[in-house]
Amino acid sequence: QQQVKQSPQSLIVQKGGISIINCAYENTAFDYFPWYQQFPGKGPALLIAIRPDVSEKKEGRFTISFNKSAKQFSLHIMDSQPGDSATYFCAAVGLNTGFQKLVFGTGTRLLVSP
Amino acid sequence: GAVVSQHPSRVICKSGTSVKIECRSLDFQATTMFWYRQFPKQSLMLMATSNEGSKATYEQGVEKDKFLINHASLTLSTLTVTSAHPEDSSFYICSARQGLRTEAFFGQGTRLTVV
Repeated sequence: QQQVKQSPQSLIVQKGGISIINCAYENTAFDYFPWYQQFPGKGPALLIAIRPDVSEKKEGRFTISFNKSAKQFSLHIMDSQPGDSATYFCAAVGLNTGFQKLVFGTGTRLLVSP
Repeated sequence: GAVVSQHPSRVICKSGTSVKIECRSLDFQATTMFWYRQFPKQSLMLMATSNEGSKATYEQGVEKDKFLINHASLTLSTLTVTSAHPEDSSFYICSARQGLRTEAFFGQGTRLTVV
């Protein structure tokens, strides 16, 4: 119940295309869903995050879509660029529900081809 | 955004020695810090959670006598890998959070190689 399932494991997208990464969770105690971007040899950096009271959040080329009833959320990267090539992790935590540990998905390695 | 600094970024040590990794919150007071371990091409695995002034809470399967965590101040936590062995070689990452209902920010990670 504590798991966050992430797919696909790897993704190749052409420059200018849309990258889509999906995550699903079971624990209804989760109330905050961040996405992290990690480059090789670096720590993860917060990309964008959403709370379950909204269905979509957009920041620049990055959009999170959230489906509370299905317990699913996804990251869309519009106009993907080679510089977006990295590993992306979805995560979930219960900031206001007492489930304070950040639970990570398994990660998606994105390669944007020039 | 909040800045978490981790030092060193890379360290090589001999088998049997101990190595200390520092995690500092530079512009906020971190009431809680987390330590993770990451193997190549895998996700982050939570090792322990530390609250300032309290003993760390270790995840199941993590040896607390091997991975010593100290969170003596609101801006500094340390992870000491004692009697290191080659199998301890990994990427260690800390994160810090101010308060219970706030986002946690990550350090840049430490690559530990035990030879």
